[in-house]
Amino acid sequence: GQQLNQSPQSMFIQEGEDVSMNCTSSSIFNTWLWYKQDPGEGPVLLIALYKAGELTSNGRLTAQFGTTRKDSFLNISASIPSDVGIYFCAGQLRNFGAGKSTFGDGTTLTVKP
Amino acid sequence: DAGITQSPRHKVTETGTPVTLRCHQTENHRYMYWYRQDPGHGLRLIHYSYGVKDTDKGEVSDGYSVSRSKTEDFLLTLESATSSQTSVYFCAISPQEYQPQHFGDGTRLSIL
Repeated sequence: GQQLNQSPQSMFIQEGEDVSMNCTSSSIFNTWLWYKQDPGEGPVLLIALYKAGELTSNGRLTAQFGTTRKDSFLNISASIPSDVGIYFCAGQLRNFGAGKSTFGDGTTLTVKP
Repeated sequence: DAGITQSPRHKVTETGTPVTLRCHQTENHRYMYWYRQDPGHGLRLIHYSYGVKDTDKGEVSDGYSVSRSKTEDFLLTLESATSSQTSVYFCAISPQEYQPQHFGDGTRLSIL
């Protein structure tokens, strides 16, 4: 099946720093999604991207749909302690059927005050 | 929250026993999904449903079955639980085929 390579696997940063993470695939996707998961909870949708080259922001978060349709990037500016969690990318391809998504293995973010 | 309730939230059981997890939604969404999440891994799709009584397998369906007798409920059954099925199970819903999925808070299942 489809494989997503998400990197880095983990990040340890100081509060106030900017964060960048990415997801790559050997195949194209029609939609890229970014989720955040807090401990003991389910993933929560942060940003959805539907077009190659699209750049979308949600507060301090900015995500981009790569022009090749095989990658996506998430940036967090001026990190704060509540940014701690696991960030997942997910890709959807129309011929998967039923809106199935393929998920990356996640980037675990730790923010030191 | 997206109106998704998973029950139970935690369960400990023994190898060989049957287990049923429930996902209940109040959003009237057509699509429902069951995933498992294991340490160091993303979410892997077990089964999904695209309507009442319409279900299909995901990438890790062996040892699991599902049923959807009404729009709001999607049940995941482990007929004879094994230790390899110890995991956190998430239900997700989506209104349309290619809309983003929204997740419940998960069920932590331990099989001893």
